[in-house]
Amino acid sequence: GEEVAQTPKHLVRGEGQKAKLYCAPIKGHSYVFWYQQVLKNEFKFLISFQNENVFDETGMPKERFSAKCLPNSPCSLEIQATKLEDSAVYFCASSQEGPPYGYTFGSGTRLTVV
Amino acid sequence: AQSVAQPEDQVNVAEGNPLTVKCTYSVSGNPYLFWYVQYPNRGLQFLLKYITGDNLVKGSYGFEAEFNKSQTSFHLKKPSALVSDSALYFCAVSDSYNFNKFYFGSGTKLNVKP
Repeated sequence: GEEVAQTPKHLVRGEGQKAKLYCAPIKGHSYVFWYQQVLKNEFKFLISFQNENVFDETGMPKERFSAKCLPNSPCSLEIQATKLEDSAVYFCASSQEGPPYGYTFGSGTRLTVV
Repeated sequence: AQSVAQPEDQVNVAEGNPLTVKCTYSVSGNPYLFWYVQYPNRGLQFLLKYITGDNLVKGSYGFEAEFNKSQTSFHLKKPSALVSDSALYFCAVSDSYNFNKFYFGSGTKLNVKP
């Protein structure tokens, strides 16, 4: 389809619990990106993939965050031992071309850590 | 620091009339400029981009934007608006120093009336 599908739309976790977010990129798009919306208009880059390979992970807090894009499966972003400051909207985007080209974003997953 | 300004919260136009949605930016390096559209309960959809080259960029659905370096602007335009163009429009910028990081404007709601 023509949409990047993100699930779930909302996720609530207690502090210290694990959170797992999913993203199905547009068919044919070989690049996948994860962003964390830290302020209303700033999207903090986390990680990108080219097919199933990590393309750029310079934004990932590696202690608790991990991500995968396996063949024939939705991509995933996992946060171990969530903290209050992880509360944010997490956006996935996909692109047919690599950066800095235009991406199509999903509608996001709102993670609330309580 | 990078920033994007969309000075109008809302733009109202009549169907068939030309439309302009304004955007100005501030970046450290060479700018990479994007326009996205968001329909209700949907993700951000890529419209067009300026990376380099011609200042007038043509994108999806008949939209175009003009990069003006001296005025640091990247206004979105369409010669003849359609009711179906009614949506939320976001201008976004990254730059040559860190093209993975996006800064979005606050969004402009476009209302096209029949």
